[in-house]
Amino acid sequence: QVQLQESGPGLVKPSQTLSLTCTVSGDSMSSGGYYWSWIRQHPGKGLEWIGYIDYSGSTYYNPSLKSRLTISVDTSKKQFSLKVSSVTAADTAVYFCARRMWSGEFDYWGQGTPVTVSS
Amino acid sequence: QSVLTQPPSVSAAPGQKVTISCSGSTSDIGNNYVAWYQQLPGTAPKLLIYETNHRPSGIPDRFSGSKSGTSATLAITGLQTGDEANYYCGTGDSSLGAYVAFGGGTTLTVL
Repeated sequence: QVQLQESGPGLVKPSQTLSLTCTVSGDSMSSGGYYWSWIRQHPGKGLEWIGYIDYSGSTYYNPSLKSRLTISVDTSKKQFSLKVSSVTAADTAVYFCARRMWSGEFDYWGQGTPVTVSS
Repeated sequence: QSVLTQPPSVSAAPGQKVTISCSGSTSDIGNNYVAWYQQLPGTAPKLLIYETNHRPSGIPDRFSGSKSGTSATLAITGLQTGDEANYYCGTGDSSLGAYVAFGGGTTLTVL
């Protein structure tokens, strides 16, 4: 059974960098066909795709966020990470990590971690 | 604003059938698989349907998906109170490379 778990600070100051890590169990992360993903949900709103990375390190970002994003992977630690720079209150959301299949669906999700941007 | 359009809410009585629509374009729904997710309050989304009309193991056959042109539909039969949740459709967007689109979500109320 694949499990994902987000970790990171729940409070970030405006203009700083939001950093989250997702730890994966039950999958080696080293095979193709999967994309390790970040998705967020603003309070009371729908889902917004942030981006994803494959096992080789190729990244795919939401164009609306691309200039502020960095997603990286460390398959030896079975972790992948998200950095969002220059955050504002608009980045306040619950952040989910998830595994995306080649056919497009997100089949396994972390429980989500709330992040608040506030001074 | 979401790329895919869903009705904000739907409702039906226990035991009845409800359908949730997801409208897009040729670049997203029209040329990609569609997935559906169920999100109970305070929890992560759960995959209900993948590749437009396939159910993951453990998802009852009361849930089914279909697609016609640039629209997709999630049908739920034999409604139960436990089905009250938010439902999201999702797909890729061929015109934007690896872009992932979600619908705005539909709140299902079982009356």
